[in-house]
Amino acid sequence: DVKVTQSSRYLVKRTGEKVFLECVQDMDHENMFWYRQDPGLGLRLIYFSYDVKMKEKGDIPEGYSVSREKKERFSLILESASTNQTSMYLCASSSPGANYGYTFGSGTRLTVV
Amino acid sequence: GEDVEQSLFLSVREGDSSVINCTYTDSSSTYLYWYKQEPGAGLQLLTYIFSNMDMKQDQRLTVLLNKKDKHLSLRIADTQTGDSAIYFCAAQTGANNLFFGTGTRLTVIP
Repeated sequence: DVKVTQSSRYLVKRTGEKVFLECVQDMDHENMFWYRQDPGLGLRLIYFSYDVKMKEKGDIPEGYSVSREKKERFSLILESASTNQTSMYLCASSSPGANYGYTFGSGTRLTVV
Repeated sequence: GEDVEQSLFLSVREGDSSVINCTYTDSSSTYLYWYKQEPGAGLQLLTYIFSNMDMKQDQRLTVLLNKKDKHLSLRIADTQTGDSAIYFCAAQTGANNLFFGTGTRLTVIP
């Protein structure tokens, strides 16, 4: 069964901490994405990557960075966590031109206290 | 980028049909998708339709596409309590990019 795996379902971190959210896919997909989801705001794209060592800013990149050293792994980094980064974070992957859209992970619910 | 819009909430009684609507702005969208998100989970692909089709049916799900009006709908027949979830519409432009609506929270009343 093909999968996108996010390392944690729930995380609680303190303000100012550096936070790493990990995402691994086993489908050999070129494209990977990080979204955050907040009530009433839908999915907002933070960063995406079309290839190893490549990254592009999405709609809300401020306060975040990413790393893609290997094709299967895409990490989201909160450089200095703040309470307004409390959210559900979703990772997704896809293959260019494929007609099955994105495959999503189960999400990480991050609480910053 | 493309704008995809959905209403935020829908309530239906168990056994009735649900119709969730979506509009998009980019007429060059190639594929249109419906995703379902259950509480605390990621998004799961329900179905999709290619832009040269008008309708697609899959068991209790019917997708209708009006390309002229850039309007997509998802009909769920005989709605069950297990169908309570958030439903996202998404439009694909180009080879790589999906644009998502805000999601419609469907509540099924027993």
